[in-house]
Amino acid sequence: EIVLTQSPGTLSLSPGERATLSCRASQSVTNNYLAWYQQKPGQAPRLLIYGASSRATGIPDRFSGSGSGTDFTFTISRLEPEDFAVYYCQKYSNSPSLTFGGGTKVEIK
Amino acid sequence: EVQLLESGGGLAQPGGSLRLSCAASGFTFSGYAMSWVRQAPGKGLEWVSAITGPGDRAYYADSVRGRFTISRDNSKNTLFLQMNSLRAEDTAVYYCAKRIPDWYYCDYWGQGTLVTVSS
Repeated sequence: EIVLTQSPGTLSLSPGERATLSCRASQSVTNNYLAWYQQKPGQAPRLLIYGASSRATGIPDRFSGSGSGTDFTFTISRLEPEDFAVYYCQKYSNSPSLTFGGGTKVEIK
Repeated sequence: EVQLLESGGGLAQPGGSLRLSCAASGFTFSGYAMSWVRQAPGKGLEWVSAITGPGDRAYYADSVRGRFTISRDNSKNTLFLQMNSLRAEDTAVYYCAKRIPDWYYCDYWGQGTLVTVSS
């Protein structure tokens, strides 16, 4: 079973700065089937990125994803106040189960 | 607009039961697989169970297999999770989520319902 490790655990940044989050898989992720979600306190996760780099409908272009194989990166080019949240990566495949990373909290510095 | 609305959460005693529901609207419910994902207080996301669009196949995480049962009523656009033999470690917010075919990521999530297992 693939394990996803996200780093750092917490990222302290100011509005306007660039955020770079990492998601590392213990084995290669087939077809780069990796998604990123944003979760704010008391809210459900929100899909941002799928297929490692494709933005979901309505997602601003300051959010981007990249990577392949075992190393994936999620970037917020310029942090807006509403972007401070927890971000999860998720592996999916032609299988019912889902695997999530432990999350990275992006907090205001 | 896709909407998923969970209900049925609450307080249950260890060994007790609860039945969660997820009312769906805004899409052809029977055409999509669905999943339940939970989040323990202050913790990350954990996949719990999934069911095919027609409801003919169900899948479970090892942590709940044999205790939880997922089902759906496509005539009522509703997803269910019957939870039996509840344990303290089942305490979590339970989210229903719509899956992109076939068994891909979750594009829409409900707001969640809190299940607390405590004596």
